[in-house]
Amino acid sequence: DGGITQSPKYLFRKEGQNVTLSCEQNLNHDAMYWYRQDPGQGLRLIYYSQIVNDFQKGDIAEGYSVSREKKESFPLTVTSAQKNPTAFYLCASRPRSTEAFFGQGTRLTVV
Amino acid sequence: AQRVTQPEKLLSVFKGAPVELKCNYSYSGSPELFWYVQYSRQRLQLLLRHISRESIKGFTADLNKGETSFHLKKPFAQEEDSAMYYCALIDSSYKLIFGSGTRLLVRP
Repeated sequence: DGGITQSPKYLFRKEGQNVTLSCEQNLNHDAMYWYRQDPGQGLRLIYYSQIVNDFQKGDIAEGYSVSREKKESFPLTVTSAQKNPTAFYLCASRPRSTEAFFGQGTRLTVV
Repeated sequence: AQRVTQPEKLLSVFKGAPVELKCNYSYSGSPELFWYVQYSRQRLQLLLRHISRESIKGFTADLNKGETSFHLKKPFAQEEDSAMYYCALIDSSYKLIFGSGTRLLVRP
């Protein structure tokens, strides 16, 4: 089944712990994106990457980190510095000249 | 900085009524604009993009550069149109940003 896969679907974290969310795509897309979705606030861009080994901060990058060592993978780490990490996280990928495709999302809850 | 504004959080209409979901943007260059839709328990997916100038599921959107708007319209709403709608913009550096979304509720 081709597409973009996020795992896990649900994730629980204790306060003070870092946690990594996985995003994998087999669509051969160059660009990948991470968003945070909160009720009433839409999708806010955390980080994006146009090519391997390169990424840029989005509008709410503080408390998050990413890597892009492979074209297929763009993991997001939510660090203990993120003050309010409980949210729904969406990953997307996009070829150069068309629309973005989204994963199913990961719901992170800090307990 | 680029910005996408959707002023309505919720739009409620009756079946058969016209629908207009508003989207305004700010960007100094030539943006590429999209409308995405998220039906209940489904992935966010593309509805239409301004470049293609298509009509998808009866929806159309026209880019108005003078008013920096990209409003989504449908002449006769259906119950199955009930969903969350997001306007989005991509700039020359491939930064893709979204508005805060509008929930469309079509009542029978």
